[in-house]
Amino acid sequence: RKEVEQDPGPFNVPEGATVAFNCTYSNSASQSFFWYRQDCRKEPKLLMSVYSSGNEDGRFTAQLNRASQYISLLIRDSKLSDSATYLCAVNKWGSQGNLIFGKGTKLSVKP
Amino acid sequence: AAGVIQSPRHLIKEKRETATLKCYPIPRHDTVYWYQQGPGQDPQFLISFYEKMQSDKGSIPDRFSAQQFSDYHSELNMSSLELGDSALYFCASSPPLTGSYGYTFGSGTRLTVV
Repeated sequence: RKEVEQDPGPFNVPEGATVAFNCTYSNSASQSFFWYRQDCRKEPKLLMSVYSSGNEDGRFTAQLNRASQYISLLIRDSKLSDSATYLCAVNKWGSQGNLIFGKGTKLSVKP
Repeated sequence: AAGVIQSPRHLIKEKRETATLKCYPIPRHDTVYWYQQGPGQDPQFLISFYEKMQSDKGSIPDRFSAQQFSDYHSELNMSSLELGDSALYFCASSPPLTGSYGYTFGSGTRLTVV
């Protein structure tokens, strides 16, 4: 089983739609979780850290389920500019160390 | 604000040649990470350095080596290049004590091996 797994998509949604991505991780010792956004041929950029209690930033909501070892990202009221690949990332051990990335979920928001 | 600087942005090499990629972390960041991202793939961790010492090693081929210098910049040296080494190479840096929370990526070096 891969350390971090995501549905590659693509998710094709109309503007204004709500879309959710899930990401599962295998290392129960992981402590830090993140969602990154990556545009084509660009570097990954941090979208949100994921906290145990869940967190929200505008139209984006991230949640963590430790028991089932998955994190989720919810995007409400999708915009054309949300079109990108969304990568989940989990730290290798504790809260330090390198990040292990999922393959990414491609989102395409259409007019 | 200063970001992570990588050079060169693009590099074309022939098979069996060598390449050196450079990474200049954000000032006062003491940890550098190298990632390789092939077409349609997720970023794969190669190697990291903390305070000029190797701190972790991932799927870095033996043909590759890296180091972090006294000014905290890092270089990834790649020898006997193969076609499969064609990829985007990202460097990321983080400040002291923030670990994964402080990650900032550079714009990457696109290596093409022909």
